[in-house]
Amino acid sequence: ETGVTQTPRHLVMGMTNKKSLKCEQHLGHNAMYWYKQSAKKPLELMFVYNFKEQTENNSVPSRFSPECPNSSHLFLHLHTLQPEDSALYLCASSQEDSRSGANVLTFGAGSRLTVL
Amino acid sequence: AQTVTQSQPEMSVQEAETVTLSCTYDTSESNYYLFWYKQPPSRQMILVIRQEAYKQQNATENRFSVNFQKAAKSFSLKISDSQLGDTAMYFCAFMSPYSGNTGKLIFGQGTTLQVKP
Repeated sequence: ETGVTQTPRHLVMGMTNKKSLKCEQHLGHNAMYWYKQSAKKPLELMFVYNFKEQTENNSVPSRFSPECPNSSHLFLHLHTLQPEDSALYLCASSQEDSRSGANVLTFGAGSRLTVL
Repeated sequence: AQTVTQSQPEMSVQEAETVTLSCTYDTSESNYYLFWYKQPPSRQMILVIRQEAYKQQNATENRFSVNFQKAAKSFSLKISDSQLGDTAMYFCAFMSPYSGNTGKLIFGQGTTLQVKP
């Protein structure tokens, strides 16, 4: 049990499809994140949810739609994606460390998305 | 804006030897957090070590240690007694405390480390 579980591990979709990525954390954390990892770019933060409320949208196109129904679950709904959206999508969760104040993120294994 | 640079795209080391991965960053803040994450072929991003900038003492975690040079804005990772399981991509990351709870990690480009038997 990794603590943060992502499904599916692999997804292939056409540009007109609608699909969703799911993330579940079993750590009791209060914040959840979506990161995008492309082949030749550093990891990019997409969305942040704190206590189910979206606190950051890092200029992500509207074809990506996040949903956080509770503190343990996070979805990324995908609609009319482009081939350049093909990437590894990583979910993470965190709880502020009371000793240092740092948010230490725990990541899932990612969902590998290919858009045809 | 903060940036993180890892200038070594690929490195290799013989099993049981020591290797150092480089990381530099740019920030105007005096307090922040630095991290090294490891991503093996399984894709799971795993925290290796972290450092609070206000602490002068270098962080250590078993075979992993850092050389934190605040004035030079350098944060290198040393892996001692390298093991085959250390083969992975290593990411250096920066977090500002002023981002509140956003957990906004600024990542470097990553260094692929190959441990050879």
